[in-house]
Amino acid sequence: DAKTTQPPSMDCAEGRAANLPCNHSTISGNEYVYWYRQIHSQGPQYIIHGLKNNETNEMASLIITEDRKSSTLILPHATLRDTAVYYCIVRVGGQTGANNLFFGTGTRLTVIP
Amino acid sequence: DTGVSQNPRHKITKRGQNVTFRCDPISEHNRLYWYRQTLGQGPEFLTYFQNEAQLEKSRLLSDRFSAERPKGSFSTLEIQRTEQGDSAMYLCASSPARGGFLEETQYFGPGTRLLVL
Repeated sequence: DAKTTQPPSMDCAEGRAANLPCNHSTISGNEYVYWYRQIHSQGPQYIIHGLKNNETNEMASLIITEDRKSSTLILPHATLRDTAVYYCIVRVGGQTGANNLFFGTGTRLTVIP
Repeated sequence: DTGVSQNPRHKITKRGQNVTFRCDPISEHNRLYWYRQTLGQGPEFLTYFQNEAQLEKSRLLSDRFSAERPKGSFSTLEIQRTEQGDSAMYLCASSPARGGFLEETQYFGPGTRLLVL
């Protein structure tokens, strides 16, 4: 089961793209990369996930390198409400196959006015 | 609102008291997870239900903790003889059961914040 490495903090100017990197060099071929974020005092919010192709939804884009050892979450036009802790997660399956998500400490993104 | 709900949102208790939290998952989600989050850390897995069956428990789940999911709907997490170290945010998540386990999106509730004095 893969673990992830993220920078502890990043700043981004409001209106600019926020690019959050994640390393997952030990990821297995069939494991998905998930991104969640947690705004202060709230539960984690699902953002996006992917396997090997780039993905885009209404919240963000996910770029996964060809070797799948790293990925980047892109928030195209960051707003102040995007200030949060962002978690990059690769499934850590339990004995029963449950998806016990391993969150780590994430990246604290601060969007600056 | 059809998301995951948790009650109460906040709980203050004295050391040694018992507390119980409730989680109502998204309708028809078969899987339900409990996590615990302490200050400055990411959520940590506690236990998992597939319908009414509790299939996995973390080593974090001491004997003072018990979780149930009667009839495979809502779930309760009880902590007996609370200790100050139990102070944390308790998060519940649910997900639909679809074939494989590897692609599974969990949707989280707002959490219950417990403070043990």
